[in-house]
Amino acid sequence: AQSVAQPEDQVNVAEGNPLTVKCTYSVSGNPYLFWYVQYPNRGLQFLLKYITGDNLVKGSYGFEAEFNKSQTSFHLKKPSALVSDSALYFCAVRDAHVGTGGFKTIFGAGTRLFVKA
Amino acid sequence: SAVISQKPSRDICQRGTSLTIQCQVDSQVTMMFWYRQQPGQSLTLIATANQGSEATYESGFVIDKFPISRPNLTFSTLTVSNMSPEDSSIYLCSVVDSPNTGELFFGEGSRLTVL
Repeated sequence: AQSVAQPEDQVNVAEGNPLTVKCTYSVSGNPYLFWYVQYPNRGLQFLLKYITGDNLVKGSYGFEAEFNKSQTSFHLKKPSALVSDSALYFCAVRDAHVGTGGFKTIFGAGTRLFVKA
Repeated sequence: SAVISQKPSRDICQRGTSLTIQCQVDSQVTMMFWYRQQPGQSLTLIATANQGSEATYESGFVIDKFPISRPNLTFSTLTVSNMSPEDSSIYLCSVVDSPNTGELFFGEGSRLTVL
């Protein structure tokens, strides 16, 4: 069965500084990896995904993430944080092999990002 | 990308009652899912809504408590039955854009408070 770990409940960063939100995963086969963001009182919005190919993927709002197979990680990064980036971020994984758990996507516990002006 | 509408957006319910949440998608989609997000928690998959057949429930969720309908490829309902305060959560409908590789798209969610 697949699982996702986000080791930090909260990340604090000053505006203009780089940010990293950590994620590690476990799947029996090849992973499909995703990051989502949730703003207060809103549904989840898709940020980016890794399916195959280049390990560095770029997404919405200047975010990027690096897939590291040996470390089973998919950390979210941004070179320069904005106050408006403050939100709840979820890492998610799906097993590429449909037979294992079907198409279901499993979410991490979430990391709350605070960007201070 | 699919646009998903959920109704109601929020409701306050009495213990022991049932409430049905509707999810409407603006295009035909193969895969629809229902998630629960308890206060301050992550998302937990309740079930996969299968068109024309019974939903596939995850461990800890049963059809008697969370009956799901999926009459066509654009619509689904989730009923929360015999509610208790522990059912107070945000319930989210989601769809997959591309079954092979795609990300999930979510509705705005239905925030239920059970008194």
